[in-house]
Amino acid sequence: LAKTTQPISMDSYEGQEVNITCSHNNIATNDYITWYQQFPSQGPRFIIQGYKTKVTNEVASLFIPADRKSSTLSLPRVSLSDTAVYYCLVGDRNTPLVFGKGTRLSVIA
Amino acid sequence: NAGVTQTPKFRVLKTGQSMTLLCAQDMNHEYMYWYRQDPGMGLRLIHYSVGEGTTAKGEVPDGYNVSRLKKQNFLLGLESAAPSQTSVYFCASSHRTETASYEQYFGPGTRLTVT
Repeated sequence: LAKTTQPISMDSYEGQEVNITCSHNNIATNDYITWYQQFPSQGPRFIIQGYKTKVTNEVASLFIPADRKSSTLSLPRVSLSDTAVYYCLVGDRNTPLVFGKGTRLSVIA
Repeated sequence: NAGVTQTPKFRVLKTGQSMTLLCAQDMNHEYMYWYRQDPGMGLRLIHYSVGEGTTAKGEVPDGYNVSRLKKQNFLLGLESAAPSQTSVYFCASSHRTETASYEQYFGPGTRLTVT
């Protein structure tokens, strides 16, 4: 299983863009990169998934360089409600996803 | 469409007691999973199932058993509860896909305390 490394915590002010980088040096050819968000006392929620280059949806953007050894989740203009733990996961359809400790994002007013 | 539901929401057990946690999904998903989450930690996979009648071990299967007799239900059993099993338990389900890694839908969690 590809191991991921991401910062333990980050702080940001409201209205700023937040970029969370994840390292996955031993990603396999068939692996996709997936990000989840978890609020306190709730189960994780899928945010975005990508294989290469850039993916954007209504919530976030995911940037993946050509070598795919890292990825960056970008949250535009965060608000207090974006305070949560963000998990970066790597795997394919045959591999149960492994959640690390994630990145605890704190948004400050 | 309720998504993924878990029963019960809270439970307190004494050491050595047994219990079963029930997970139900109404999305016709093939895959189902049980995770545990300890304070300040990420989720750890206990067991999972890729279809009715099949189960497999995850990262931390010891002390737990599971069954998937019906496609929509996934049961997690603790035969003899221990204080180390105090945790929040999350169930999840997902579709089987042919290409991409699958999007998992999570239930609200069961908070279990073993004294």
